[in-house]
Amino acid sequence: AQTVTQSQPEMSVQEAETVTLSCTYDTSESNYYLFWYKQPPSRQMILVIRQEAYKQQNATENRFSVNFQKAAKSFSLKISDSQLGDTAMYFCAFTTGGTSYGKLTFGQGTILTVHP
Amino acid sequence: EAQVTQNPRYLITVTGKKLTVTCSQNMNHEYMSWYRQDPGLGLRQIYYSMNVEVTDKGDVPEGYKVSRKEKRNFPLILESPSPNQTSLYFCASKERGTQETQYFGPGTRLLVL
Repeated sequence: AQTVTQSQPEMSVQEAETVTLSCTYDTSESNYYLFWYKQPPSRQMILVIRQEAYKQQNATENRFSVNFQKAAKSFSLKISDSQLGDTAMYFCAFTTGGTSYGKLTFGQGTILTVHP
Repeated sequence: EAQVTQNPRYLITVTGKKLTVTCSQNMNHEYMSWYRQDPGLGLRQIYYSMNVEVTDKGDVPEGYKVSRKEKRNFPLILESPSPNQTSLYFCASKERGTQETQYFGPGTRLLVL
């Protein structure tokens, strides 16, 4: 079975500091894609960053970057210079081809609170 | 503007009263999907559709039906809702191809009494 585990139900950080959210996953597929989604209080699902499993280079989007460790099946999200608007639920997810084509498998989510 | 829309956004109903949540996308995407979000469980796939008239079950299909008569629409039908279907529901769509990103609708919050 394909699974995603986010072991931190809640995290908090001071404004302007750096925080890292953890994610581990399990799949037997060799071709897959990993995502971090942000869900603010509005409940909208917003894509933060994506990583192709075949790429060794870690993805970066402005203040957001990932640490992708393929052998360890780990995919953590680092948020630098945290802002109040980063307060949200964050979901780690992945998708593969094959019989699970198109399905996003999500973790349980991590609630991040940024304090002024 | 490229988007996925859902209606209604909020719904309170009673056990057994049939309801439909509509989903529409204007991006000509082939793949569409429904998820439900529950505390501590993340999002789980209910049903998906690879194209018109092609639908299949996801991980939690019990109590739900879908149809895909047009490419842009993918309604979710609860023929006899029960309280355990109280949840936040998301519709999503994407282009063909594993690498393509899914776009989510704004969500529908359903309460079944």
